[in-house]
Amino acid sequence: QQQVKQSPQSLIVQKGGISIINCAYENTAFDYFPWYQQFPGKGPALLIAIRPDVSEKKEGRFTISFNKSAKQFSLHIMDSQPGDSATYFCAASMKTSGSRLTFGEGTQLTVNP
Amino acid sequence: EAEVAQSPRYKITEKSQAVAFWCDPISGHATLYWYRQILGQGPELLVQFQDESVVDDSQLPKDRFSAERLKGVDSTLKIQPAELGDSAMYLCASSRTQGKLFFGSGTQLSVL
Repeated sequence: QQQVKQSPQSLIVQKGGISIINCAYENTAFDYFPWYQQFPGKGPALLIAIRPDVSEKKEGRFTISFNKSAKQFSLHIMDSQPGDSATYFCAASMKTSGSRLTFGEGTQLTVNP
Repeated sequence: EAEVAQSPRYKITEKSQAVAFWCDPISGHATLYWYRQILGQGPELLVQFQDESVVDDSQLPKDRFSAERLKGVDSTLKIQPAELGDSAMYLCASSRTQGKLFFGSGTQLSVL
């Protein structure tokens, strides 16, 4: 059962543009929603995370928007840079399941110079 | 900055051979996870430890995979015998708080 669905599968953006990646979840018991960034040959690295008691969180150029009623959340990358080119994964976890993460399928982002 | 250490970085083996991967989590992190990541997909949990105890191994193919964390620190994941479909990146992660998983660079396994 795919509990976290992510789209699009791939995304191409021009330098300076806005990158938007979307995720939808099924299990309402999820209470923590992080985004991970992964470069080739490396493990995923935590980028930004949100809990369902807030609708938005911003850290630098990265913003998470969270819609609890729709069970959706998204990552916005403002002023996208070529160095942002990587694979992005949304994920979800719940305290009652030992905090393990369930990942989406990933979005390969390419930012053209 | 503390990191999760994994070795080896790459492993090439033949079908039916045994392979083992090692992970040393960040000091003080009681929770350790092994994930498998197939190319083009998100990581999938294989096993989760809390200290030396297995919390969840429901997705671990126990006929061929085993994992241990004897002293509650470093961990070993073993596959015996390896099959062609086991080719993937094996990622170790550790955490102290909910959801804040720190991943190692992984072991890329190729089974020929």
